[in-house]
Amino acid sequence: KNEVEQSPQNLTAQEGEFITINCSYSVGISALHWLQQHPGGGIVSLFMLSSGKKKHGRLIATINIQEKHSSLHITASHPRDSAVYICAVDFGNQFYFGTGTSLTVIP
Amino acid sequence: NAGVTQTPKFQVLKTGQSMTLQCAQDMNHNSMYWYRQDPGMGLRLIYYSASEGTTDKGEVPNGYNVSRLNKREFSLRLESAAPSQTSVYFCASSDRNTYEQYFGPGTRLTVT
Repeated sequence: KNEVEQSPQNLTAQEGEFITINCSYSVGISALHWLQQHPGGGIVSLFMLSSGKKKHGRLIATINIQEKHSSLHITASHPRDSAVYICAVDFGNQFYFGTGTSLTVIP
Repeated sequence: NAGVTQTPKFQVLKTGQSMTLQCAQDMNHNSMYWYRQDPGMGLRLIYYSASEGTTDKGEVPNGYNVSRLNKREFSLRLESAAPSQTSVYFCASSDRNTYEQYFGPGTRLTVT
């Protein structure tokens, strides 16, 4: 079974700070996903990565396949970024999820 | 497009009762999934369906059955609910080309 570890579990930042959330996994995967879960419970997909780096607005996701590690960065954080960020590893049709990083951005 | 819809949003059951959670997607996705989310444990895959007519067990299938009724609909049935099945249940579907997952709004189930 693949273990998916996220760090930190909780994170509080001041508005404008640069934020990094990390995800490590234990075995080879076909892809890695970053998800955002809003305070109301809804889950949206942010990125799917199989190599390299992707950027969408203020969000940047990177993956190092050899080191089995991915990071999610948020530049110029804003209170509306407050949510739980979840890493998920993809074995084709089986997904394993981290327990999430709860981010609070204070104005 | 409605995306992924789930019904009901909330449900309270007594131990031993049965119920079916309904899920539908209008994005013509082949793959559909049922997850449960428990505090401190992250999302866990219950069952998935890679295409119409096929279903496979995930990480935590015990106590559940599924039906892929057609390409749009994927239902999850609890035959005899137990308090350990108290959870938030999410249905999702994925695009075969991008592998991006689209989630429903969730069903909060309490079994007393």
